[in-house]
Amino acid sequence: DAKTTQPNSMESNEEEPVHLPCNHSTISGTDYIHWYRQLPSQGPEYVIHGLTSNVNNRMASLAIAEDRKSSTLILHRATLRDAAVYYCILRPPRNTGNQFYFGTGTSLTVIP
Amino acid sequence: KAGVTQTPRYLIKTRGQQVTLSCSPISGHRSVSWYQQTPGQGLQFLFEYFSETQRNKGNFPGRFSGRQFSNSRSEMNVSTLELGDSALYLCASSGLAEETQYFGPGTRLLVL
Repeated sequence: DAKTTQPNSMESNEEEPVHLPCNHSTISGTDYIHWYRQLPSQGPEYVIHGLTSNVNNRMASLAIAEDRKSSTLILHRATLRDAAVYYCILRPPRNTGNQFYFGTGTSLTVIP
Repeated sequence: KAGVTQTPRYLIKTRGQQVTLSCSPISGHRSVSWYQQTPGQGLQFLFEYFSETQRNKGNFPGRFSGRQFSNSRSEMNVSTLELGDSALYLCASSGLAEETQYFGPGTRLLVL
C-alpha cells in the first residue's frame, strides 16, 4: 500500500490561505494523488486530485512537486466550514480497482 | 442525483451476534467500496465490489463479507461480532469514468 505522511494538525486564521502538505516518497508513476476531507459526523468528501500537473477547482488548488514525491493542498481563503480532517491518498490506476488507503490525515482548525 | 445512502444509520448489537449493513450507490455507479473507521486505526479499506464481483479485498478476517446485487446495491455482513468491531462503516460508490469516490454518511455500529 502506498503511504502518505501528513502533519497531524494545523491551524489557520479565517479568510487566510492554508497550505496542507503531504509527502509520498514511494509514489509510483501511475498513482494519482487524491485529497478528501471529512467534516465531523460525515463521510469523506472529494476535494481534488491530480497526476503530474497542478490542478485548480472551485474548492482548492493542488500543487504537485516536480518529482511527485510531495504535494500541497491549498485552500485560498479558509472559512469555518473548512474545519475538517484532510486526507492525502495515493490511488492506483482505476482499472486496478477503487480501493483507497487512507493515512491519518491532517486535522485543520480554523480560527475566527 | 441522489447521493450514496446507507441503512441503518445506527445499530447496537451484542458480542457474538451478526449484522448486515446496506449501501445504495449513486444511480449508474457500479463500483461500491466499504471502509471501517475507528479512532485507533483510522479509515481502513474492507473490500470493493464491481458488477457483482469482489474486485479487491483489504486485510480483514473472514468474518467480514459482502455482496453486490444486480442493481449495484451492496450489503456487508459481519458475523460473530467482537467489541473491536464497533466502528463507523462507510460505503463509497464510483462511476466507470470517474476518478472520485462518493461516500455515504456511514452506519455507526456499537457492539456491547
